[in-house]
Amino acid sequence: ETGVTQSPTHLIKTRGQQVTLRCSSQSGHNTVSWYQQALGQGPQFIFQYYREEENGRGNFPPRFSGLQFPNYSSELNVNALELDDSALYLCASKRTYGYTFGSGTRLTVV
Amino acid sequence: SQQGEEDPQALSIQEGENATMNCSYKTSINNLQWYRQNSGRGLVHLILIRSNEREKHSGRLRVTLDTSKKSSSLLITASRAADTASYFCATEPHTGTASKLTFGTGTRLQVTL
Repeated sequence: ETGVTQSPTHLIKTRGQQVTLRCSSQSGHNTVSWYQQALGQGPQFIFQYYREEENGRGNFPPRFSGLQFPNYSSELNVNALELDDSALYLCASKRTYGYTFGSGTRLTVV
Repeated sequence: SQQGEEDPQALSIQEGENATMNCSYKTSINNLQWYRQNSGRGLVHLILIRSNEREKHSGRLRVTLDTSKKSSSLLITASRAADTASYFCATEPHTGTASKLTFGTGTRLQVTL
């Protein structure tokens, strides 16, 4: 389903580096959430932004941070990358019934 | 952490057969949703059922919800090869300052010709 765009699609980083993932959601979707999906697992909630403020966080350390901008785009930043951060990162915007997910960014940490 | 379990973990059927997947969850919910994921890419929303609903239909999909047992099932009728994907249930808590989806572990469905 179109409407949420993520970039880049793939990324390889070295342990200890920092990464920024980007998401562009639909106009009027004030809520954006980020999820981490390890291989073979269901997505896990990282955090949620509503009108540019973080208003919910999952069990992730502070080195995972985010921003939401007035133009409905958002960023996920991860500092001090660890090997276990290798995963598919999904952005989702909330609509009336259910969420619209982007295609994800596959991050590999080596 | 995952909300609960889905079973089976993997399901292989032939085209035209029905596929049933089950989902269990742990806490009270506002609604339960089912998503499909092809080849590890983005999730596609299939259907949402509210906590006060017991059954819902959408095309070839039928979802049931039993809040007393904290379980749900997804039935795909007359399956097609294009239905091959991973299916996840996800629960959304009662409305608060933040709503988040808590996903199950997923069922990998393979539909063969």
